[in-house]
Amino acid sequence: EVQVVESGGGLVQPGGSLRLSCVASGFTVSSNHMNWVRQAPGKGLEWVSLIYTDGRTYYADSVKGRFTISRDNSKNTLNLQMNGLRLDDTALYYCASQGLQGGYWGQGTLVTVSS
Amino acid sequence: AVVTQEPSLTVSPGGTVTLTCGSSTGAVTSGHYPYWFQQKPGQAPRTLIYDTTNKQSWTPARFSGSLLGGKAALTLSGAQPEDEGEYFCLLSYDGGDPPRVFGGGTKLTVL
Repeated sequence: EVQVVESGGGLVQPGGSLRLSCVASGFTVSSNHMNWVRQAPGKGLEWVSLIYTDGRTYYADSVKGRFTISRDNSKNTLNLQMNGLRLDDTALYYCASQGLQGGYWGQGTLVTVSS
Repeated sequence: AVVTQEPSLTVSPGGTVTLTCGSSTGAVTSGHYPYWFQQKPGQAPRTLIYDTTNKQSWTPARFSGSLLGGKAALTLSGAQPEDEGEYFCLLSYDGGDPPRVFGGGTKLTVL
């Protein structure tokens, strides 16, 4: 059975940092293109970052230079290091895979940036 | 790139509706690997269609994906009340930056 579980969200002050993790079971993270997607309250889905199977990484302009995506193949885990957090980074953050088996999503982890 | 979807659509129970997903860069092709996601209030999105036409194991048979008139399309045939929700498409622009762009979503009402 496939499971995707995000963690690491929380309340942080502007300028602070958080590290999100996404643990997958039932499929291999490194064999899928892995995305971080966020959804601000009442808004649509916003693509944040992608790590391809070959390791190339991409970021939305809104987070470029502040966020870093990575994966730990030994733990079958996807990570997102978020630095310099801003008020408009407040959102539910999802991990979403894309691969030969289609796409799997977790339930998300909430990041709230507030003073 | 900007990906466009109908902001809202209404379908009668048992009826058929087609949602579309267009790209500002031109015609959507299979090379954009269109994905369709369904999201209900308070829930995480779930994938219904990937790579234009492929269904996940949990995708009801009444949903189908295609390319139609230069856009990606999601057709719902025989709408059920439980199909009400928000539908998002995702297009891939491999080699581009950003390589992934979501549409703004279509709020589907079954009424």
